Amino acid sequence: DAGVTQSPTHLIKTRGQHVTLRCSPISGHKSVSWYQQVLGQGPQFIFQYYEKEERGRGNFPDRFSARQFPNYSSELNVNALLLGDSALYLCASSPTTGSANYGYTFGSGTRLTVV
Amino acid sequence: GQSLEQPSEVTAVEGAIVQINCTYQTSGFYGLSWYQQHDGGAPTFLSYNGLDGLEETGRFSSFLSRSDSYGYLLLQELQMKDSASYFCAVRTGGNTPLVFGKGTRLSVIA
Repeated sequence: DAGVTQSPTHLIKTRGQHVTLRCSPISGHKSVSWYQQVLGQGPQFIFQYYEKEERGRGNFPDRFSARQFPNYSSELNVNALLLGDSALYLCASSPTTGSANYGYTFGSGTRLTVV
Repeated sequence: GQSLEQPSEVTAVEGAIVQINCTYQTSGFYGLSWYQQHDGGAPTFLSYNGLDGLEETGRFSSFLSRSDSYGYLLLQELQMKDSASYFCAVRTGGNTPLVFGKGTRLSVIA
């Protein structure tokens, strides 16, 4: 079975540009969560989606948006990129929003560099 | 707000035992999880404690004391491949997202 797939793996963008990151969860998993991880820090929660509905949003500006599609894949969009948006963006897949016992399965992430 | 405290760095000798502590202050509590992340890799789920006590999975064990808002990850028979960052994470409600600590960087030396 394929794990969590994220694309692209690396991306370089210029300040002010827009970026779209993509995630395909594990087959059968209906929940996708997005996290931002700055070097040397823990993952910071951005969004959680379940059954195509937003179930949670972290403390990020409105420049960040996301959506989940009928096949449970997801996109994270970031507008008006700032240098501080440079980070590893992780997508986590889980059967439901809870799934504490099973844990999240993370993708390998998208390394975004804003110059 | 939520806060999770864990040591930033730990160094231990190959074959030894190391304990990584995590204390938390959250508005609610619905379990403590541990994740491992190697440099350049994705976080990988290690263990979950929903109730007080010890959970054992091979060389790794995790402990939780809800009354003390405290937990730890115990790694035994350390191997060089255990060198990685370890994150504790809590969920404040049944369907809320995981909140991660800043991580502990473990270096295993010969």
